Amino acid sequence: GENVEQHPSTLSVQEGDSAVIKCTYSDSASNYFPWYKQELGKRPQLIIDIRSNVGEKKDQRIAVTLNKTAKHFSLHITETQPEDSAVYFCAAGYKAAGNKLTFGGGTRVLVKP
Amino acid sequence: DTAVSQTPKYLVTQMGNDKSIKCEQNLGHDTMYWYKQDSKKFLKIMFSYNNKELIINETVPNRFSPKSPDKAHLNLHINSLELGDSAVYFCASIRGEGSEAFFGQGTRLTVV
Repeated sequence: GENVEQHPSTLSVQEGDSAVIKCTYSDSASNYFPWYKQELGKRPQLIIDIRSNVGEKKDQRIAVTLNKTAKHFSLHITETQPEDSAVYFCAAGYKAAGNKLTFGGGTRVLVKP
Repeated sequence: DTAVSQTPKYLVTQMGNDKSIKCEQNLGHDTMYWYKQDSKKFLKIMFSYNNKELIINETVPNRFSPKSPDKAHLNLHINSLELGDSAVYFCASIRGEGSEAFFGQGTRLTVV
């Protein structure tokens, strides 16, 4: 089955700096790669996703890149703000697996003011 | 207006008890899931149902039994609760392949 690894597990950045989180996946059949943000005590919520036919996607301060050959994808947050502090999860999934999303282990991001 | 709602939000119970968590979605989605989030925040899929049919059953003890009376509901029943079952359980639903998963607010289960 699919295995998703995520690094780093914790990330501390100064407000205004950039944050980068990297994930690798094992199953070349995976074709959907979402990123979720989970604030303390809250539910995970989608912040951005990318499909295998796209190499990069951007939404304001957030961008995601995908390298299908190397089977890795990354989340980039620019101009970080204190409200970006949360746990971020990457995931990988595909239809034949019952639309199952396999999550990475999460990255706890702390943005210091 | 809540898209995916689960009850209860908190559940404290003694070892050996049987408990249920309920989940309902009003999004018209066909696929629903149960995920377990442990103390280290790792999100692991337990079950998936598509239109009331079980399609994913990960390596979960058979003390856990999901039930889907209709495609808008997916409940989780747990028998003979153990200390290691303590976690946050999330219900989620998706419209179809490659679409956003909407999560419920989570149920924090504490077994004492």
